[in-house]
Amino acid sequence: DGGITQSPKYLFRKEGQNVTLSCEQNLNHDAMYWYRQDPGQGLRLIYYSQIVNDFQKGDIAEGYSVSREKKESFPLTVTSAQKNPTAFYLCASSIVPANTGELFFGEGSRLTVL
Amino acid sequence: AQSVTQLDSQVPVFEEAPVELRCNYSSSVSVYLFWYVQYPNQGLQLLLKYLSGSTLVKGINGFEAEFNKSQTSFHLRKPSVHISDTAEYFCAVSDVHTGGFKTIFGAGTRLFVKA
Repeated sequence: DGGITQSPKYLFRKEGQNVTLSCEQNLNHDAMYWYRQDPGQGLRLIYYSQIVNDFQKGDIAEGYSVSREKKESFPLTVTSAQKNPTAFYLCASSIVPANTGELFFGEGSRLTVL
Repeated sequence: AQSVTQLDSQVPVFEEAPVELRCNYSSSVSVYLFWYVQYPNQGLQLLLKYLSGSTLVKGINGFEAEFNKSQTSFHLRKPSVHISDTAEYFCAVSDVHTGGFKTIFGAGTRLFVKA
């Protein structure tokens, strides 16, 4: 079945450490996204990528980095510069062109900073 | 700038009762509208979408929504809810000109269905 796989599902990190969240899709979608979810705040866009080797900052990119070396993969690194990294992170993809905004989501990764 | 307001943060309802989850948006341009559902510790799943055409949109699990352009609303309804509908529901809007790269989400409405 086609879909988006995120790993790990749960991750614990000490302050000052970088951590990388994996996102892989086999939907053959061109666009991929990373969102952060906090209780009562909905989803906020961190980064998005329209094509391989290209990505743009979203609304809350500070303290995060991404790469897009392959169409199927869009890993997110949460760096030590992110002041409040504890959150639920969601990866998504969409069809391009005719990008209406319909998003296909992975199951999410919950990061807890100890 | 676009924004999405979900007017209720929590909606408790008894099983088999009707429910309406309210969503209002602000935008100066034409929009696409979406409702997603999220079960605990899972990703979001599309319930329904409005792209164009009929303003009454039917989705999965018996949900429907009506696009009201004059009131800039896209309320979600179900005539009879089940315990399994307990989840968080998100309204989202994207600009038809920029497409999905800047989809805006509401803060979510948590639906509790009681027996």
